[in-house]
Amino acid sequence: GEDVEQSLFLSVREGDSSVINCTYTDSSSTYLYWYKQEPGAGLQLLTYIFSNMDMKQDQRLTVLLNKKDKHLSLRIADTQTGDSAIYFCAGLGGMNRDDKIIFGKGTRLHILP
Amino acid sequence: NAGVTQTPKFRILKIGQSMTLQCAQDMNHNYMYWYRQDPGMGLKLIYYSVGAGITDKGEVPNGYNVSRSTTEDFPLRLELAAPSQTSVYFCASRSDSEAFFGQGTRLTVV
Repeated sequence: GEDVEQSLFLSVREGDSSVINCTYTDSSSTYLYWYKQEPGAGLQLLTYIFSNMDMKQDQRLTVLLNKKDKHLSLRIADTQTGDSAIYFCAGLGGMNRDDKIIFGKGTRLHILP
Repeated sequence: NAGVTQTPKFRILKIGQSMTLQCAQDMNHNYMYWYRQDPGMGLKLIYYSVGAGITDKGEVPNGYNVSRSTTEDFPLRLELAAPSQTSVYFCASRSDSEAFFGQGTRLTVV
């Protein structure tokens, strides 16, 4: 079935760039998402990318999509302490191709001073 | 500007009690979802709906029921609460592209 994989932890120094990686199995996913979850809070939609795009940039966030390798990445430029959170990668999947939202287990981003 | 609204925010239930978690969206989205998130874990899909009158099971539906009589509302029902249902429950709604989440309901079953 559909699966989304992410590494569980990432440590980055404040001011450096963070790159969070994700791989997915459902090549028919039309949309892929990145969510941010701070402790005790809900999921905040950071950005999303349509499957016919290779890259999307929004201020400090850059999403890269490699459809051939089924690889998605989120780059956060100039990482700040407020970026400390869990980041979830997700994609659309399911029998009808776009009915379910399938999540990875999340990457915990830790910011080093 | 409400988006997805979940009620209640917190609830303690005794084993065997029942309750309904409410979810409402004001964006006219067709797709709606219920997920649960256990401590330190990712999200597991309980049920979802692709439109009013249509619901489908996710990966962990046992012990839950849903209905979707209107586009706006997607309540989740727990009939006989068990300690294993202690979790944070998130509702989400989606257009063709963007998907937004509610703030969650933290449920404890004792």
